[in-house]
Amino acid sequence: KAGVTQTPRYLIKTRGQQVTLSCSPISGHRSVSWYQQTPGQGLQFLFEYFSETQRNKGNFPGRFSGRQFSNSRSEMNVSTLELGDSALYLCASTLGGYTDTQYFGPGTRLTVL
Amino acid sequence: AQTVTQSQPEMSVQEAETVTLSCTYDTSESDYYLFWYKQPPSRQMILVIRQEAYKQQNATENRFSVNFQKAAKSFSLKISDSQLGDAAMYFCACAYDSNYQLIWGAGTKLIIKP
Repeated sequence: KAGVTQTPRYLIKTRGQQVTLSCSPISGHRSVSWYQQTPGQGLQFLFEYFSETQRNKGNFPGRFSGRQFSNSRSEMNVSTLELGDSALYLCASTLGGYTDTQYFGPGTRLTVL
Repeated sequence: AQTVTQSQPEMSVQEAETVTLSCTYDTSESDYYLFWYKQPPSRQMILVIRQEAYKQQNATENRFSVNFQKAAKSFSLKISDSQLGDAAMYFCACAYDSNYQLIWGAGTKLIIKP
């Protein structure tokens, strides 16, 4: 069974631009969570989707948004990029429960110049 | 607020020895799940071990075991016979019944000395 895939793997953008990251979960997994990982802040929860519905959202500004499609693939969008948005963005999928094991993708490394 | 605390930013151990990573959590929930995840350098995060709070028995996965002290709200990870491949960031996390997310600790960087 294929693992969680994330595209693109690396991205360089400039301040003010917007970016869309994609995550394809393991087949059959209906829940996708997104995280921002930085050296100073550790792993910060962005949001979680289950069957196209956002069930929970972390403490991030409205510039960060996401969605999930009927095939469980998910995208997250960051508008008006800031230097502080430079980070590794991880997505993780589970069968359905947040108490299940999360399977992580390799991440998208976003650099904002 | 529900929190997970890993008090050791970095630990080092000699190869083949045993090391214990600490994790404490704070919750008033009665039902929750605890996890240790491992993130090797430039590699994907993977689950090391999972513990259900209602189970008294400590979870074990080969050389990895936990010491779950529910009353003390402590969930430490013991790695026996440390190997070079164990070098990684280790994250402790907790999933609560009332939250659709994991609460994560800040991580402990484990260094294995050959």
